[in-house]
Amino acid sequence: GAVVSQHPSRVICKSGTSVKIECRSLDFQATTMFWYRQFPKKSLMLMATSNEGSKATYEQGVEKDKFLINHASLTLSTLTVTSAHPEDSSFYICSARYGGLGNNEQFFGPGTRLTVL
Amino acid sequence: KQEVTQIPAALSVPEGENLVLNCSFTDSAIYNLQWFRQDPGKGLTSLLLIQSSQREQTSGRLNASLDKSSGRSTLYIAASQPGDSATYLCAVRPIEYGNKLVFGAGTILRVKS
Repeated sequence: GAVVSQHPSRVICKSGTSVKIECRSLDFQATTMFWYRQFPKKSLMLMATSNEGSKATYEQGVEKDKFLINHASLTLSTLTVTSAHPEDSSFYICSARYGGLGNNEQFFGPGTRLTVL
Repeated sequence: KQEVTQIPAALSVPEGENLVLNCSFTDSAIYNLQWFRQDPGKGLTSLLLIQSSQREQTSGRLNASLDKSSGRSTLYIAASQPGDSATYLCAVRPIEYGNKLVFGAGTILRVKS
């Protein structure tokens, strides 16, 4: 149980285009989803937290207009990288958790490798 | 501000050795601590989660301990195998931050056959 999927697993796009990444919780309802970015040989950096039906909360330094997050249902969150540039190339990982504040675990997706040419 | 440090940054051992990975965190006010494994180009696989009230958790050849008061955790891997080669990440969930996790930079482990 507690499986999180991401689609696509890899995407290559031209500079200036927008890319959408999907994160789905397959067997549970995720009240909260998280989006992380990981640079090569570095740890995960939290970008934003999204709760179903409300606006995402972005971490300091993350551009809201650049990284659009939508959490329209309890099983789906999307991250759209708008007008992508080569510096946006990275590994993007989502995670999901259920329930309110407490000791509930986060379950991570397999990641999406974005390459912007 | 919560900070998580992992030592060593990289480790190479021969197959069969027992090994210890270290994680330290600056603020003891946490809900839990979690150890993850990440293979190259892949997502995270949760290995062990220790609640703040617990001292250790075990799963197969893995044993994780937590000393919250001193801000330390260790991941012990017994009888290491080449398949254990991966990056191991430690993360804490600070009470101050609600649902967020704060990650260490990881330890890159290579087990040589």
